[in-house]
This record gives sequence, structure tokens and C-alpha cells, in this order.
Amino acid sequence: QKEVEQNSGPLSVPEGAIASLNCTYSDRGSQSFFWYRQYSGKSPELIMFIYSNGDKEDGRFTAQLNKASQYVSLLIRDSQPSDSATYLCAVNPMDSNYQLIWGAGTKLIIKP
Amino acid sequence: NAGVTQTPKFRILKIGQSMTLQCTQDMNHNYMYWYRQDPGMGLKLIYYSVGAGITDKGEVPNGYNVSRSTTEDFPLRLELAAPSQTSVYFCASSYTLAGGQDEQYFGPGTRLTVT
Repeated sequence: QKEVEQNSGPLSVPEGAIASLNCTYSDRGSQSFFWYRQYSGKSPELIMFIYSNGDKEDGRFTAQLNKASQYVSLLIRDSQPSDSATYLCAVNPMDSNYQLIWGAGTKLIIKP
Repeated sequence: NAGVTQTPKFRILKIGQSMTLQCTQDMNHNYMYWYRQDPGMGLKLIYYSVGAGITDKGEVPNGYNVSRSTTEDFPLRLELAAPSQTSVYFCASSYTLAGGQDEQYFGPGTRLTVT
């Protein structure tokens, strides 16, 4: 069974520091990787996607992908209290071009 | 542009009752999805649709049914509600399939309790 694993947290980070969120996946042939942010009681919203090995930067956010080790990470620089949320990792497996396999999410708390 | 809308926001059902969760999108997306999210868990795909008249099962379809008669609407039907269906239900849509790297846009969710 294809799985996506995340540390549930909570991960507590001081304001202004770098928050590092990690995700591992079981399907070696997975094609695309997504990070969604979900505030409490709200719906998920896309932060970033990545599909090639290496880093992808967008403002304060950097996604890192290592297919050989089967992990993807999200770095948040200069963390703000508004970044406090649950971050969901989602992976598109090789044998399906419609389905995303979702991790349970990591709860991030930014302390002022 | 309202995006993806869902009704109702909250609902309490008794065991054995039935209901329909409504989902509408105004972005002309061909692809639509229904997920459920249990506390502390990731999203589980219930059903999806790649266009009007075309639907297919996801990971957890048992106890649910869908239809897609128009591009805009994708209702989810619960028959004979059971406590195991207590969850938050999200409808989502996208321009292409998830593997096409396009963003899925989510509705605000329906919080369903079955007692």
C-alpha cells in the first residue's frame, strides 16, 4: 500500500527562525509532490509543488526533493505567527495520474 | 468568482438516514474530487470525476455515490448513514488531473456527524 509519512508534531519554532518540515513516501516511482497548508477548521490550500530533484524556491518557502532517498521537505524562512498551521504533503504515485496520496500532516506552531 | 462552494457547512444525521452533499465550482474545471478527512488523518479520496458524465471510485467509495451531470456540479450521496461516516468532507476541483501538477482548489468543507 502506498504511503506518505509525516511527523504529526507539533513542531514549535521561534518567530524569525527556519521551520523544516519533512515527508517520506513509499512509491519509488512517484511523479509529483505537493505541499498544502491547512489552517484549523479550514480547507487545504497549495503552497508549492515540485517534480524534479533539488530545490525550488518561492518567496520564504523552499521545497526540496530527493527521489533516491524518497523524501521531500519544505523549509519556511523567517517564520511568522501566521505560518502556524498544519502542513500536508501529497504525492502523485506512478501508476495513477489522477490520485494524490496524502500524509496526515505536521502541525507547525510559530512562537512570537 | 466564488470558486468551489459546498453545502451544508454542518449536518447531524441519525444512523440509517441519507443525505446529499452539494458541490459547485464556477472555474470551468473538468476535474472534480470528493475527499473525507478524519481527525489527525490525511485526505482520503472517495470519488472523482474527469468530466460531465464520467465518475470513478477512489480509495474509500463504500457507502457513497456520486453523479456528474454538468461541469459545475458534483454531488455526493450518502445512503444509510453509519457512525463511521462521521468526518469532514471536502470537494475539490482542478484544470487537469492531480498528476498534471495543477493545483486542486478546495471548498470550505462539510462537517458531518452521524449518531
